[in-house]
Amino acid sequence: DTEVTQTPKHLVMGMTNKKSLKCEQHMGHRAMYWYKQKAKKPPELMFVYSYEKLSINESVPSRFSPECPNSSLLNLHLHALQPEDSALYLCASSYGGDYNSPLHFGNGTRLTVT
Amino acid sequence: KQEVTQIPAALSVPEGENLVLNCSFTDSAIYNLQWFRQDPGKGLTSLLLIQSSQREQTSGRLNASLDKSSGRSTLYIAASQPGDSATYLCAGITGANSKLTFGKGITLSVRP
Repeated sequence: DTEVTQTPKHLVMGMTNKKSLKCEQHMGHRAMYWYKQKAKKPPELMFVYSYEKLSINESVPSRFSPECPNSSLLNLHLHALQPEDSALYLCASSYGGDYNSPLHFGNGTRLTVT
Repeated sequence: KQEVTQIPAALSVPEGENLVLNCSFTDSAIYNLQWFRQDPGKGLTSLLLIQSSQREQTSGRLNASLDKSSGRSTLYIAASQPGDSATYLCAGITGANSKLTFGKGITLSVRP
């Protein structure tokens, strides 16, 4: 069982849809992350929130829009995605934002864009 | 720029063997290094984190070492079990505000 909860587990969306991925943790962690992982590849960092503020944006296309409503929640809003955006989207959290503490990952949302 | 390499990409061993998974990195000014496990279709589970000031960390049957001068980390798994079958990724970071750089992972299969 993971202490980082991601919903939904699976999502299929068309290129014109708008959807959101959700992530929640109640470990008191102050940093939260979005990663994208393609099959048989390592995770790629997309965004980092530290103390509810966006601290890193890895030049991600604007069709991905992150939001951190509070220290326990992280959303990723999706709009006008492309089929190549199909991947496993992983949320992670850590105690601080300096990688001095381990990252805790959720089980991800498997996204398919048709 | 930190680059992390894991070779081989896949490994198959019989149950009970002690084994070593290797991870090499290019920038010796590494801040810390983490080992993760990933089961198919799942997220990553943090196994061990080694700070730059440490040489090794242990958790149960797992022992991870860090040698900054040679640019290497190893994950030692004692008495391997079929339940250890998974992909093992190492990831290093060079500075407190840098990005965690992942290796491509080693897919381990432990045969009963």
